[in-house]
Amino acid sequence: GENVEQHPSTLSVQEGDSAVIKCTYSDSASNYFPWYKQELGKGPQLIIDIRSNVGEKKDQRIAVTLNKTAKHFSLHITETQPEDSAVYFCAASTNTGKLIFGQGTTLQVKP
Amino acid sequence: DSGVTQTPKHLITATGQRVTLRCSPRSGDLSVYWYQQSLDQGLQFLIQYYNGEERAKGNILERFSAQQFPDLHSELNLSSLELGDSALYFCASQPGGRSYNEQFFGPGTRLTVL
Repeated sequence: GENVEQHPSTLSVQEGDSAVIKCTYSDSASNYFPWYKQELGKGPQLIIDIRSNVGEKKDQRIAVTLNKTAKHFSLHITETQPEDSAVYFCAASTNTGKLIFGQGTTLQVKP
Repeated sequence: DSGVTQTPKHLITATGQRVTLRCSPRSGDLSVYWYQQSLDQGLQFLIQYYNGEERAKGNILERFSAQQFPDLHSELNLSSLELGDSALYFCASQPGGRSYNEQFFGPGTRLTVL
């Protein structure tokens, strides 16, 4: 069935370093890949997304890459700041619209 | 602020009871998705409505039901509650029915079943 695997489950970096979170999806019909940031007590917040006809997308300090052949997509955060500390979720969607989420990555940025 | 509102923020109830969770989508958005977030299952899709009609179903229990009203707000009804139903319930709003439109999440309702 549909599945999204996300790694690592926890990630600790020093302020200013880069952070990379990787996801693998199973459904080859997936065509939309959003990333969400969830802070404690809040709902998931969309931070960046990529569609299947694009290989890479960048928005300031965050970027996402997609390898359709390998069914991999990754989130890259550069120059991390303490306020980047949160749980990050990847997700995949087909034309059904429903999001299949990864298990989440807890990112800690140490000052 | 995503523009999606959910009420109540917290709900504490007992096993066997029934509750209703409410979601108001962003202005103009036609589609509403419901998700459940628990520690062991993560974020799981429950059900989707588009312009008042059910569009897709996930692993939603038969004890759970939802509807979307003419003003596009949606309600998720949970009945015969069990301890395992304790979770965060989120709705997400989407402009249209296409899969590649962004979904914007509300702040969630935390349900505790005692």
